[in-house]
Amino acid sequence: DGGITQSPKYLFRKEGQNVTLSCEQNLNHDAMYWYRQDPGQGLRLIYYSQIVNDFQKGDIAEGYSVSREKKESFPLTVTSAQKNPTAFYLCASSITREQETQYFGPGTRLLVL
Amino acid sequence: SQKIEQNSEALNIQEGKTATLTCNYTNYSPAYLQWYRQDPGRGPVFLLLIRENEKEKRKERLKVTFDTTLKQSLFHITASQPADSATYLCALAGDSNYQLIWGAGTKLIIKP
Repeated sequence: DGGITQSPKYLFRKEGQNVTLSCEQNLNHDAMYWYRQDPGQGLRLIYYSQIVNDFQKGDIAEGYSVSREKKESFPLTVTSAQKNPTAFYLCASSITREQETQYFGPGTRLLVL
Repeated sequence: SQKIEQNSEALNIQEGKTATLTCNYTNYSPAYLQWYRQDPGRGPVFLLLIRENEKEKRKERLKVTFDTTLKQSLFHITASQPADSATYLCALAGDSNYQLIWGAGTKLIIKP
């Protein structure tokens, strides 16, 4: 089955801790994205990557970091600098940045202990 | 600033009727607009895309209209079914960059 997987489904973060959210795709897509979803708000772009070893900040990149060492993988690290990390995190991919349709993973819900 | 508005109140529709959802935008000239469906605790799923030079797009029981003068898109589900109950998101993209700007979504409830 082709698609995007995210893990874990739920993640708990302690004060001052960095946590990493996994995103893997086997769709052979060049572009990948990380969004944050909060109640009552639209999806907000954290980072995106158009190609391996390249990534760009989105609208709310502060307190987050990413890497794109492999085409299939785009992990997101939520650092201790992100003071309000509780949210639903969604990873998506598209064939290229210019291709309109985005395919989403099932999401990771991050909660702060 | 760019803004997208979708009705934040849930829309309750009787099964079999047509559901109509609205997406309004300001300070934006989108190259195209998309509609996605999101079920609770899951990622959005792409439904339809309509471009700025298109007035209407259909897919099975779904229909999308796009009025760039009114800065509005309407999303219709005909012969609605309880399985259509979900949150529906609209997203716009400009022609100068490809970043999608998302609405907060409208929750649709189809009652049997």
